[in-house]
Amino acid sequence: KQEVTQIPAALSVPEGENLVLNCSFTDSAIYNLQWFRQDPGKGLTSLLLIQSSQREQTSGRLNASLDKSSGRSTLYIAASQPGDSATYLCAGRRGDDKIIFGKGTRLHILP
Amino acid sequence: DGGITQSPKYLFRKEGQNVTLSCEQNLNHDAMYWYRQDPGQGLRLIYYSQIVNDFQKGDIAEGYSVSREKKESFPLTVTSAQKNPTAFYLCASRGTGWSNQPQHFGDGTRLSIL
Repeated sequence: KQEVTQIPAALSVPEGENLVLNCSFTDSAIYNLQWFRQDPGKGLTSLLLIQSSQREQTSGRLNASLDKSSGRSTLYIAASQPGDSATYLCAGRRGDDKIIFGKGTRLHILP
Repeated sequence: DGGITQSPKYLFRKEGQNVTLSCEQNLNHDAMYWYRQDPGQGLRLIYYSQIVNDFQKGDIAEGYSVSREKKESFPLTVTSAQKNPTAFYLCASRGTGWSNQPQHFGDGTRLSIL
């Protein structure tokens, strides 16, 4: 059974720091891995999608990597800003089209 | 503007009542999904549909029902059999023209018991 784990559950860092969020998954047979952002009381906003054949994707200050052999993905946020404060979720898509989510990391950027 | 619209934003259910949550998308996506989000639990899959007139149970389908009569619409009914319906419900869709397209989400419906 595919499980997705995100550590830490919560993180507070001063503004301007670079930071890394971690995501691990138990089944390496995933088709892709997607990172989302969720603001309180809102839906999920897609940040980056990494195909199983790719190693990383970049969008602005965000960089996501994928290592299927070790079952790990990371989301790197450069030069963090208070507006980056949100919950970040990762999700892996299986061959049966089910998409399994981690419980998220609550990020707080301190001004 | 293409997107996913969920309505209502807030919904209250009385004991023994069925309620229906609406999800409409104009992204021309074949696949649609319903998730339930509880504090500290992450998202759990209720039902999903990969094509019109077809849908599959997710991990927590008991007490819920869906229909997929149109490509654009995937309504979720929370029946009286669902004893703990209070949660945040999220609808998503995904294009399947080529297999690895990202999921897009609506803004959610928050359901509470009166």
